[in-house]
Amino acid sequence: SQTIHQWPATLVQPVGSPLSLECTVEGTSNPNLYWYRQAAGRGLQLLFYSVGIGQISSEVPQNLSASRPQDRQFILSSKKLLLSDSGFYLCAWSVEGGLDTQYFGPGTRLTVL
Amino acid sequence: GNSVTQMEGPVTLSEEAFLTINCTYTATGYPSLFWYVQYPGEGLQLLLKATKADDKGSNKGFEATYRKETTSFHLEKGSVQVSDSAVYFCALGVYNNNDMRFGAGTRLTVKP
Repeated sequence: SQTIHQWPATLVQPVGSPLSLECTVEGTSNPNLYWYRQAAGRGLQLLFYSVGIGQISSEVPQNLSASRPQDRQFILSSKKLLLSDSGFYLCAWSVEGGLDTQYFGPGTRLTVL
Repeated sequence: GNSVTQMEGPVTLSEEAFLTINCTYTATGYPSLFWYVQYPGEGLQLLLKATKADDKGSNKGFEATYRKETTSFHLEKGSVQVSDSAVYFCALGVYNNNDMRFGAGTRLTVKP
């Protein structure tokens, strides 16, 4: 069966510090991968998606970046965090292509102080 | 553009009450519609979906019917339980997951 992992589960970082959140998927190959942010009281905002190794598409301009160094690994990064980066970050995967169910990880709660 | 609007919460119900969470959509093309649920401290998981008009998605006692004439996909359950307490998200996609749009979420609390 497929599983998706995210870490860390919670993170408190000062403004201006770097960020690295990791997501890995097991039990599937060539998944589409997604990073979402869920701000308090708001829905999900798609930040990045990837259809393959090294292929990243950004949905919104921001000071975050994403990378996919391996088929089942997706990393969300920032060089300098802003207060507005606080939120709940969710990684998700789906089968390649088309419109299908997305499977979400447990999320990372990021607080920037 | 494509968008989803769902009723604002929070919604508080007593156990065994009837639940309706409204969801309406705007889309170009022919969208598929989804309800996802997020239990406390967890990520989202698919609750049900419908891919064409008049389809009814159902799971765990929840139902939603894809109504093209009213552009709606309301979530219903006849008798809620305490364990249904969660945040519910309506979502739509047209071509692929990259264009998925989620509603703001509705928090449901069921009291014993």
